[in-house]
Amino acid sequence: GAVVSQHPSWVICKSGTSVKIECRSLDFQATTMFWYRQFPKQSLMLMATSNEGSKATYEQGVEKDKFLINHASLTLSTLTVTSAHPEDSSFYICSVRQGPGNTIYFGEGSWLTVV
Amino acid sequence: TQLLEQSPQFLSIQEGENLTVYCNSSSVFSSLQWYRQEPGEGPVLLVTVVTGGEVKKLKRLTFQFGDARKDSSLHITAAQPGDTGLYLCAGGGSSASKIIFGSGTRLSIRP
Repeated sequence: GAVVSQHPSWVICKSGTSVKIECRSLDFQATTMFWYRQFPKQSLMLMATSNEGSKATYEQGVEKDKFLINHASLTLSTLTVTSAHPEDSSFYICSVRQGPGNTIYFGEGSWLTVV
Repeated sequence: TQLLEQSPQFLSIQEGENLTVYCNSSSVFSSLQWYRQEPGEGPVLLVTVVTGGEVKKLKRLTFQFGDARKDSSLHITAAQPGDTGLYLCAGGGSSASKIIFGSGTRLSIRP
């Protein structure tokens, strides 16, 4: 069964509005979660590392005020795209590392389309 | 900044041919993973290599980790249309370390 669950799978929003994407770890606690963005036909780009109970660590070039990350519990991290614009349309996916082998588990991903 | 470069970026070959995809970095990684991704889905883990010089086989796929743990290769024997997809290498450190993905290789196998 799924280890990491992401919601929603698809979302369409109007330009200027904000959208929240959830990433949940199922049956285990995750102090760290990772958020990626993937444009069509491109690789995954790490946006930020979500840390439970503290501020997220953003990668260079990622606007922290635009992509708000909250990791308020050990099983939930949220990514909020604020004042979304069409260029923010992308596939957003989260991941966690878990287990003795530090296996990486990915969420199902969320398609965001800003119109 | 750790970077992973993959080559080739695109590859279109005939069914039955062999191919190799390369993943190179100037940084040392404690482990490297290979993933295959279908459009609209998350990456699916194929293999993890952790020891320099390690070779792992998964049916027609052979993965190798460089001796210095800076590079890796994926070799597919007798490619089939079902092998079509985006292949990604990824590297990381300890359990809390971020995972960096390579630039990706888009593979297309023609029947």
